[in-house]
Amino acid sequence: IAGITQAPTSQILAAGRRMTLRCTQDMRHNAMYWYRQDLGLGLRLIHYSNTAGTTGKGEVPDGYSVSRANTDDFPLTLASAVPSQTSVYFCASSGGRGTEAFFGQGTRLTVV
Amino acid sequence: AQSVTQLGSHVSVSEGALVLLRCNYSSSVPPYLFWYVQYPNQGLQLLLKYTSAATLVKGINGFEAEFKKSETSFHLTKPSAHMSDAAEYFCAVSGRDDKIIFGKGTRLHILP
Repeated sequence: IAGITQAPTSQILAAGRRMTLRCTQDMRHNAMYWYRQDLGLGLRLIHYSNTAGTTGKGEVPDGYSVSRANTDDFPLTLASAVPSQTSVYFCASSGGRGTEAFFGQGTRLTVV
Repeated sequence: AQSVTQLGSHVSVSEGALVLLRCNYSSSVPPYLFWYVQYPNQGLQLLLKYTSAATLVKGINGFEAEFKKSETSFHLTKPSAHMSDAAEYFCAVSGRDDKIIFGKGTRLHILP
């Protein structure tokens, strides 16, 4: 059982470069999420998707974009990376309102 | 919009002592509430969730939490701390739409 798969597990990226973090789930969950985790700030929601074809902004969406072309995949794109986007990024999915989110193992991104 | 406040970024308890981690929420609709645990360099794992079926919720590893609407609280407790409980704990709320919003986390330290 794979659950949520994120790739890459870690990346060092030059500032100004474009980067896509990949997330795939095999649980057929409708809802998917991207969070960033920073020391002392907990997990902050970047973008989410209630179902394939729809996306919404979270708490810290600036500088990030997402797409949800199908149920399983929810990539997160940084169009032009900046050092403040250095963080650990978690993808998650859930069956919908009231159900718990299942998390991937995270992507550690360093922007230099 | 929903939000969560976790009181205390660090909590230390002696092994065998009561664990109490505090969480207060804000939601414009009846909330769903969650507690997650994160061990070092891992993703998040669900401890327990409140979905309005019962105000006292029992989770894994001996943890439980009580939903108190009048106090807008969902504090996490465990009668007797073990060394293996050392981790970071996150409270989360889901209200209108499928967003799941997390608190900043509380790091639990267990003293021998």
